[in-house]
Amino acid sequence: DGGITQSPKYLFRKEGQNVTLSCEQNLNHDAMYWYRQDPGQGLRLIYYSQIVNDFQKGDIAEGYSVSREKKESFPLTVTSAQKNPTAFYLCASSGREAWGYTFGSGTRLTVV
Amino acid sequence: GENVEQHPSTLSVQEGDSAVIKCTYSDSASNYFPWYKQELGKRPQLIIDIRSNVGEKKDQRIAVTLNKTAKHFSLHITETQPEDSAVYFCAALWAGSARQLTFGSGTQLTVLP
Repeated sequence: DGGITQSPKYLFRKEGQNVTLSCEQNLNHDAMYWYRQDPGQGLRLIYYSQIVNDFQKGDIAEGYSVSREKKESFPLTVTSAQKNPTAFYLCASSGREAWGYTFGSGTRLTVV
Repeated sequence: GENVEQHPSTLSVQEGDSAVIKCTYSDSASNYFPWYKQELGKRPQLIIDIRSNVGEKKDQRIAVTLNKTAKHFSLHITETQPEDSAVYFCAALWAGSARQLTFGSGTQLTVLP
């Protein structure tokens, strides 16, 4: 899967629940990113991390949290504070050898 | 920060015709411009990119042109085929925040057989 794995592929959340989306990469990339994509729309940056133990808010960070305890892993938690979490979530990474991003296959989150 | 605008939002062409998608960016310090193709329900895939030190780059049926003065870049697809149907995103690397790409809103390309 191109070295970056997202799981699960589909996730259902009940109202008031926190859920965590997994993103793991074996590309030895320093930087990792989380994007949200709504139907028919572009990619909006939620959080990004340039290095282990450091991360920055993107354009739509409210209601989300992340951690970066290991270089390979950048999990995203969708908290109950996120009022409209139904979307397609994409994780990406980039390394020093190339400026483009490698994307994971995405997680489709639905509130039930 | 950077702002990227992409046009058109939808584009339909006949098979064999050419398709052109245009993007403009706001930060003159941006220096890397990739294009991604996303098929329905799948991940975006990098199809071509260009750095600010060149004006044009080609890879078989696809090409990208960059006009730094006007701050716009375009994707050109020639001899379109039905499998080219997808959403295409442009992006610009904002030099003010290392490695952070700003994406355009996407173009839904439909190639009619």
